[in-house]
Amino acid sequence: DTGVSQNPRHKITKRGQNVTFRCDPISEHNRLYWYRQTLGQGPEFLTYFQNEAQLEKSRLLSDRFSAERPKGSFSTLEIQRTEQGDSAMYLCASSSAGSNQPQHFGDGTRLSIL
Amino acid sequence: QKEVEQNSGPLSVPEGAIASLNCTYSDRVSQSFFWYRQYSGKSPELIMSIYSNGDKEDGRFTAQLNKASQYVSLLIRDSQPSDSATYLCAVNMYSSASKIIFGSGTRLSIRP
Repeated sequence: DTGVSQNPRHKITKRGQNVTFRCDPISEHNRLYWYRQTLGQGPEFLTYFQNEAQLEKSRLLSDRFSAERPKGSFSTLEIQRTEQGDSAMYLCASSSAGSNQPQHFGDGTRLSIL
Repeated sequence: QKEVEQNSGPLSVPEGAIASLNCTYSDRVSQSFFWYRQYSGKSPELIMSIYSNGDKEDGRFTAQLNKASQYVSLLIRDSQPSDSATYLCAVNMYSSASKIIFGSGTRLSIRP
């Protein structure tokens, strides 16, 4: 399977804990995106990388959120001091370079904060 | 005004009929438009992309784009129960060449 891979699929944690998610993009894609989706809403852009460079971050991304893509391949998204409002599906997508290139999504990580 | 607007539905269509899904967007210079299908509990799946005014057909799906009206639509012919899903309209915002903004989606239900 050469699609976008995300781990873990589900994460349940207590409020205040830190969590980290991983995304492995399609191998030939140099762009990687993180989105958050809550029930009844479309995916909400969080941040994106071109190779290892983080080129854009949403204003909605608080300082508790950090993302890395150290070698331009896989990426991690960390949420520190989780809050109830962080409960959501976290989606990763990848694409080739170019504004017309569609994004292909992984299966997501569902985060539940107790 | 939301950047990408869709009717949330649900839109109920009898099996075999044409389902018509609509989307409007606010950024007049947007260049790329996508339709994604999302089944409950699953991730979005790309079904159509369109970049030029007019119609683009792929099997039972037709995407229509009218940049002057800032309007994009998706038609599904011969609707099947397996088409029941949420359909997300996504627009590439010209102000950020790689940032795609999603609408909140239209829930489509195909009744047998």
